[in-house]
Amino acid sequence: EADIYQTPRYLVIGTGKKITLECSQTMGHDKMYWYQQDPGMELHLIHYSYGVNSTEKGDLSSESTVSRIRTEHFPLTLESARPSHTSQYLCASSDPGTGGTGELFFGEGSRLTVL
Amino acid sequence: KNQVEQSPQSLIILEGKNCTLQCNYTVSPFSNLRWYKQDTGRGPVSLTIMTFSENTKSNGRYTATLDADTKQSSLHITASQLSDSASYICVVSDRGSTLGRLYFGRGTQLTVWP
Repeated sequence: EADIYQTPRYLVIGTGKKITLECSQTMGHDKMYWYQQDPGMELHLIHYSYGVNSTEKGDLSSESTVSRIRTEHFPLTLESARPSHTSQYLCASSDPGTGGTGELFFGEGSRLTVL
Repeated sequence: KNQVEQSPQSLIILEGKNCTLQCNYTVSPFSNLRWYKQDTGRGPVSLTIMTFSENTKSNGRYTATLDADTKQSSLHITASQLSDSASYICVVSDRGSTLGRLYFGRGTQLTVWP
């Protein structure tokens, strides 16, 4: 079982609130990712990090921001939540692997609902 | 445009029966193809990873096949169990890319009835 944890699992908040979704892994992985997933749709990469102090935006435009101050911790922050941010957010990390076949481990997800 | 298409979108089978899920992709150049199982409300869990040189790989009752020439993969589930009810996601990575450049399918929602 993967040692990657997300909190909260479920969050319901009002428009305009600031929220932070937490993600931690104890596997020592350098690479970490945030994906957004809506029902019946594919996962979309919104942020990734290849190590401490390294963060990049993914394929899907997102108003969220991330930080990577410690290897094990990769939080995602929304400064002002809107109903359009309602979604499932999945955090993942990967081991190095060889030839690009690094195993990808996912957390259980954070289901965000913005009213 | 790199794409991953899965079929069927949903499938209902009876417990104990076999089933096969399909994945077609246009991702190029190809590096590897992965199948994940995602239970409702949970994160995806890896079932198999196949590189260009592999055309079949098994994980218990799950057997994945890959035809890199036709850019098709299938996931065969043998003797289905109620716990197999989940979404099965096909993911393709292009060669030389960072792991962040994965292309996800929308998944096949499998329901196993008793």
